[in-house]
Parts: sequence; C-alpha cells; structure tokens
Amino acid sequence: AQKITQTQPGMFVQEKEAVTLDCTYDTSDPSYGLFWYKQPSSGEMIFLIYQGSYDQQNATEGRYSLNFQKARKSANLVISASQLGDSAMYFCAMREGWGAGTALIFGKGTTLSVSS
Amino acid sequence: KAGVTQTPRYLIKTRGQQVTLSCSPISGHRSVSWYQQTPGQGLQFLFEYFSETQRNKGNFPGRFSGRQFSNSRSEMNVSTLELGDSALYLCASSPSGGRIDEQYFGPGTRLTVT
Repeated sequence: AQKITQTQPGMFVQEKEAVTLDCTYDTSDPSYGLFWYKQPSSGEMIFLIYQGSYDQQNATEGRYSLNFQKARKSANLVISASQLGDSAMYFCAMREGWGAGTALIFGKGTTLSVSS
Repeated sequence: KAGVTQTPRYLIKTRGQQVTLSCSPISGHRSVSWYQQTPGQGLQFLFEYFSETQRNKGNFPGRFSGRQFSNSRSEMNVSTLELGDSALYLCASSPSGGRIDEQYFGPGTRLTVT
C-alpha cells in the first residue's frame, strides 16, 4: 500500500488565486513528520513546510500553510495568492518514527501550473 | 551559508561502466541521504550516512553503494550500470537526520546510461 498518496497529477490556477494540493498518508506509527517540497524544472527540491504529528496547530510559512487533519490522515498544502514562480512539481513526504536516519517517503507529486 | 552541492551535474555513461557521484552537505550538517528519482518510480531512498556510518539503506541492489568522509562529504557509486539506472540522483543533508530535521537537497546529478 502506498504510504503517501497525491491524487492530483496536475492542477491549474490563475495568478493571485489560492490553491490546495492534496496529500493523504498511511502510517501506524504515532510519531511522524510530514513535509512538502517544491521541485522546479531545474530539479532541485526546495523545502516548503513541515508538520509534526504531535503539533497542535497547522504549520504556516509565508504563503504556504498545511491543513493537517490527523483523523483523516490528510496533510494538504495551501498556497495563497499564487504567483507565476509557483509553477513546479510539488511533493508531499513523510518520515516515520523517532529513530534518526529514517528516510523520507515521497508521494508521486502534483504538477502545479500558474497562469497570468 | 552555502547550500548542498553535487558534482557532476550531468553524466553520460555506457552500460556496464561504473560511476561515482559526489555530494558536499551544508556546513555543519552531519547527515547525508541519497535519493533516486525516475519518471516511473518517483523518488526512492537509497541510503543515509551519519558520521561516516551508514544508518539506513533502501531497497536497492548491492551495485549501489556509498560512503561518507570525515568532513561529511559523501559519494555514491553505481557499478555495472544498467539502462534502468538512468535517473536524477539527489543528495540531501540535515543536521542530524532526526525525525523533525528538514532535509536540504542539492541540485542533483542527472545520469544517463546508454
């Protein structure tokens, strides 16, 4: 079974609009971290936002916020006021457990296209 | 602070050859992880090193190996290259590789095997 599921292969949005990228996860470990990364066409993965499983509040970083619904095992990324430079592939990822050195498990990604 | 650097950025090799990729982490970061990204399989974890020791390994054949030096720089080696090894290889560093550590990625090495 997939641990991270991103059901939207592609999303299209106009500049200045908000967009939500979906992510659901599957784990039986009570301790986990959820991450979102952006990958422009250049290939580099850019860290956007982190949410811990014990965090009480949804994470926010500038225009990015994470809509964390633990009971539904969902961690959707919300980008407010989209910009042309937001066009990229977006990956949701999870790290399980307290142990150090555990791997990031990535979803298949969502391609976001922002138009003017 | 300088970011994660990877060399070379692009590489073309022939089937059966071997290749070595290099990664220099952010200064002060001691954990280095490697990932393979392909259109079909997506991003897959290869291995993680911390203080010159491999702490975790993904599900890849023994042809894929790595090491870490005392200055935290890391190399990965792929022997007997196969066409399916064509991919973007990403290196990521973090302070300790802990659960909440952000991983900072390098620009990647794009390997093409012909």
